[in-house]
Amino acid sequence: DAGVTQSPTHLIKTRGQQVTLRCSPKSGHDTVSWYQQALGQGPQFIFQYYEEEERQRGNFPDRFSGHQFPNYSSELNVNALLLGDSALYLCASSLQGPGIVGEKLFFGSGTQPSVL
Amino acid sequence: KQEVTQIPAALSVPEGENLVLNCSFTDSAIYNLQWFRQDPGKGLTSLLLIQSSQREQTSGRLNASLDKSSGRSTLYIAASQPGDSATYLCSTLTRTGANSKLTFGKGITLSVRP
Repeated sequence: DAGVTQSPTHLIKTRGQQVTLRCSPKSGHDTVSWYQQALGQGPQFIFQYYEEEERQRGNFPDRFSGHQFPNYSSELNVNALLLGDSALYLCASSLQGPGIVGEKLFFGSGTQPSVL
Repeated sequence: KQEVTQIPAALSVPEGENLVLNCSFTDSAIYNLQWFRQDPGKGLTSLLLIQSSQREQTSGRLNASLDKSSGRSTLYIAASQPGDSATYLCSTLTRTGANSKLTFGKGITLSVRP
């Protein structure tokens, strides 16, 4: 049973470029959440996708956008990259729906874009 | 607004020592509390999840307790090993209607010396 997989692992971009990060949730999970983790900080919630719609959003600008596909996989897009966007981006999957309790999250290994 | 605090930021102990990691939170109306382990540059691995109605959870050498009224949780690690060296983060889940929010602390970086 594959866990949460993210790609790519690392990448290098320059300021002003755009980046797309990808996530495949754990088998059987239907909800994907994205987090940004700066060095020495806890993860900060970006947004959550469920049933191919953005259901919740944290305090991130519109430069951060996403998408969820019918197979529940998800993409995170960041436009007009800034130096401060260099961080670890984590994808987490869970199962939602009536009667689902606990919302235990399973995290991927993350993608580390470096913005130069 | 929920705030999760973990102090100290770093801890170094000799192998074999029993240790306690602390986590405090400001909003006691949590749905659950979860402890994670993170190795450098890697994702988070869930260690223990405590529902709001529970007081503690155990897994192997790990035991996590929850005191909602005081806004505190502890992660107890028995007989620490060098392989336990990692950053430990706690998070709380709060819910408002259909929305839920996971708030993390900054983590405690543990180093277990052989």
